[in-house]
Amino acid sequence: DIQMTQSPTSLSASVGDRVTITCRASQFIHTYLHWYQHKPGSAPKLLLYTASTLQSGVPSRFSGRGSGTEFTLTIDSLQPDDFASYYCQQSFESPRTFGQGTKVDIK
Amino acid sequence: HLVQSGAEVGKPGESLKISCKASGDRSTNYWIAWVRQMPGKGLEWMGIVYLDDSDSIYSPSVQGQVTFLTDSSITTAFLHWTSLQASDTGIYYCARQKGNCGSGGCETGSFDIWGQGTMVTVSS
Repeated sequence: DIQMTQSPTSLSASVGDRVTITCRASQFIHTYLHWYQHKPGSAPKLLLYTASTLQSGVPSRFSGRGSGTEFTLTIDSLQPDDFASYYCQQSFESPRTFGQGTKVDIK
Repeated sequence: HLVQSGAEVGKPGESLKISCKASGDRSTNYWIAWVRQMPGKGLEWMGIVYLDDSDSIYSPSVQGQVTFLTDSSITTAFLHWTSLQASDTGIYYCARQKGNCGSGGCETGSFDIWGQGTMVTVSS
């Protein structure tokens, strides 16, 4: 199975901060990498797909980069609604594994 | 939209089936993923099922433990356990896969529409 490792596993930030989360794959996955936001009690929400394409309706402060094995999710100017957990997920092969998640909370 | 069935409580050894209904779309030519979140843990991909014919791909971690079913006439996918275990306690989400691809690599293998989740509690 492809292992997806996110860093950090948690971070504290303030409104207005720029936040970057890294996701590393244990093997090459091209750009078959997607990012989700998940809040307790709610369904996960797709933010970006194929590493850098913003899902319809997602604010432009979210951006993604990377290919191969290393990827980043950046949130420019963190907003109160952005405090949540974030997951990467690969679809290069089955099982289509998720990273362990990164929890972003208020400093 | 994907609308999931309500919370369930079961005993070890019991069978259980939860549902995920696609509303507002009569098409059945897409894959539905099942994703679970165990207490205090992250998201885990369980597998995908093709809504039209129940063709399924399972994660090795759940192979043999659950069965994916569908009823295309009512655009509904099901997650079925024949014998629950305490370790099955968690939240189960269904989600629509963007791309129409099954096994192997899938560039469009993200999940763009999610159900609200079904809480399953297994306790004696």
